Amino acid sequence: KAGVTQTPRYLIKTRGQQVTLSCSPISGHRSVSWYQQTPGQGLQFLFEYFSETQRNKGNFPGRFSGRQFSNSRSEMNVSTLELGDSALYLCASSPAVSSYNEQFFGPGTRLTVL
Amino acid sequence: AQSVTQPDIHITVSEGASLELRCNYSYGATPYLFWYVQSPGQGLQLLLKYFSGDTLVQGIKGFEAEFKRSQSSFNLRKPSVHWSDAAEYFCAVGGVGTDKLIFGTGTRLQVFP
Repeated sequence: KAGVTQTPRYLIKTRGQQVTLSCSPISGHRSVSWYQQTPGQGLQFLFEYFSETQRNKGNFPGRFSGRQFSNSRSEMNVSTLELGDSALYLCASSPAVSSYNEQFFGPGTRLTVL
Repeated sequence: AQSVTQPDIHITVSEGASLELRCNYSYGATPYLFWYVQSPGQGLQLLLKYFSGDTLVQGIKGFEAEFKRSQSSFNLRKPSVHWSDAAEYFCAVGGVGTDKLIFGTGTRLQVFP
């Protein structure tokens, strides 16, 4: 089985722009979670989608949004980028809800905001 | 609400030495516990998990962890560390009835030859 894929792997944007990141889960997995990883804050939960519905959301501003399609692929959007949004964004998939299932992580998208 | 504490931010060991990474959790019911490893520039990979049953869990790459309910701990161990084990290690806790997996802040392992 192919693993979790994330595109693009690297992105450079400027403040004020918006960005869309994509995640393709492992085939058959219905849950996709997104995390932001920075050296200072560690791994921060953004949101989880399960069967096209947002199951829960972390403590991030409304500039961060996401969605999930019927094929379980997910996108994450960040509008009005700020310097502090520079981070590694990780996507993880699991067969069912993430809170008690193993999550499989993608390699991440490295976002740099200038 | 559940929480995870990894008391050691950075650990340095010599190759061939034994290793123990600490993880303490807070959760009201039976926890589901995980250890993940992240090599530089990569995503997280599951090392092992505990759901129930035998409290000593074997994982990949020669790692094991022991669930101790009385101490609310799930420490990761390896008897002999290899240079390729240098990475960041994350402990996580979840469970039925929780809304998400909670990760610790990670422990960075450095291995000297």
